[in-house]
Amino acid sequence: DADVTQTPRNRITKTGKRIMLECSQTKGHDRMYWYRQDPGLGLQLIYYSFDVKDINKGEISDGYSVSRQAQAKFSLSLESAIPNQTALYFCATTDGTGEAFFGQGTRLTVV
Amino acid sequence: AQSVTQLGSHVSVSEGALVLLRCNYSSSVPPYLFWYVQYPNQGLQLLLKYTTGATLVKGINGFEAEFKKSETSFHLTKPSAHMSDAAEYFCAVSRYAGGTSYGKLTFGQGTILTVHP
Repeated sequence: DADVTQTPRNRITKTGKRIMLECSQTKGHDRMYWYRQDPGLGLQLIYYSFDVKDINKGEISDGYSVSRQAQAKFSLSLESAIPNQTALYFCATTDGTGEAFFGQGTRLTVV
Repeated sequence: AQSVTQLGSHVSVSEGALVLLRCNYSSSVPPYLFWYVQYPNQGLQLLLKYTTGATLVKGINGFEAEFKKSETSFHLTKPSAHMSDAAEYFCAVSRYAGGTSYGKLTFGQGTILTVHP
């Protein structure tokens, strides 16, 4: 089984719809992250959480929200999806050095 | 604040040739440095990392990188490219500050490596 699991792997949704991307990890790390990947831009940090009670905005948090349901679970929501949120989304968890363990990604298309 | 610059969004080499992917960083404190690889339709996986100690770091699949503090660089190399090395490569930096930046990675924009027969 994968260390970091994301669901769904692919999703097409309509503009204005609410959508949730889910992430769970079995590494036992406290720190979890949501990144967005766009071609030529690398990975941009949306939100991060250092423990269940600690949630922080990243570089591009506008239009997104998160929920840390447990140490192992960190979900990302788009309250009202728009086409420029079409991207590849990654969840990750890090160890004490910052080494990241990534999920397989969720390809989201907003039409 | 920290940042990462990868020189060249696309690099093309022949099979058997040297691979050199360039990465420069800025960080106000000693950095931890990483190279990740992303194959098509997959997540990122760690190639190698520098935290402390020896500045020449060896990773998986024959890759290595050298941390040069004076040049603020962490270039990735492989002596002989293989077709299976074709992928996108990301350099990343994090820093230990005992605070909110601990463990938080900043990525470069990525370099797509193409390997020709």
